[in-house]
Amino acid sequence: DTGVSQNPRHKITKRGQNVTFRCDPISEHNRLYWYRQTLGQGPEFLTYFQNEAQLEKSRLLSDRFSAERPKGSFSTLEIQRTEQGDSAMYLCASQQGSTDTQYFGPGTRLTVL
Amino acid sequence: QKEVEQNSGPLSVPEGAIASLNCTYSDRGSQSFFWYRQYSGKSPELIMFIYSNGDKEDGRFTAQLNKASQYVSLLIRDSQPSDSATYLCAVTNGNQFYFGTGTSLTVIP
Repeated sequence: DTGVSQNPRHKITKRGQNVTFRCDPISEHNRLYWYRQTLGQGPEFLTYFQNEAQLEKSRLLSDRFSAERPKGSFSTLEIQRTEQGDSAMYLCASQQGSTDTQYFGPGTRLTVL
Repeated sequence: QKEVEQNSGPLSVPEGAIASLNCTYSDRGSQSFFWYRQYSGKSPELIMFIYSNGDKEDGRFTAQLNKASQYVSLLIRDSQPSDSATYLCAVTNGNQFYFGTGTSLTVIP
């Protein structure tokens, strides 16, 4: 257990529905990253926060995706109008300093039917 | 060109042998280098990190970094069946983390 938690662990939804995932990082870590991982691939960067500020967002990320970290603690990732291609493992990672180790949560596995 | 390249494998070694995993990266501004292990259906877990050129040893694991060649490697000595997993190389320049696609390792009893 890395100390990073994610909920839910599994989500099955129908195409077109909205889904929201939550990540609780290690408490003293000020950086929080979201990744998406599909089978046979490494984690793909989506976005990251330093405290409550969203500093970078992947240019490959559809505008259906939005993330927040309102008080610099937990973060949420929302996907609107889900598509079958959104099916993946969504990983959250917590980091203290900019070049320090990232610690991953257990992930949320999304299946879009 | 991808930021981080790894051979996808699969790599098979007999139990007790040395497994050698390799990774190259494209950004010369990369500052920190990491090896993660990922079991099927699980999230990545840190094995080792290295910041400076040379070798860094931790138990059965040795990470090697050569910044001039933009090359990172991981050696696993006395490989065990429990080492069977996908190994991800990651690098960061202080902003994004870039991951390779991973090398699948199987240790045969």
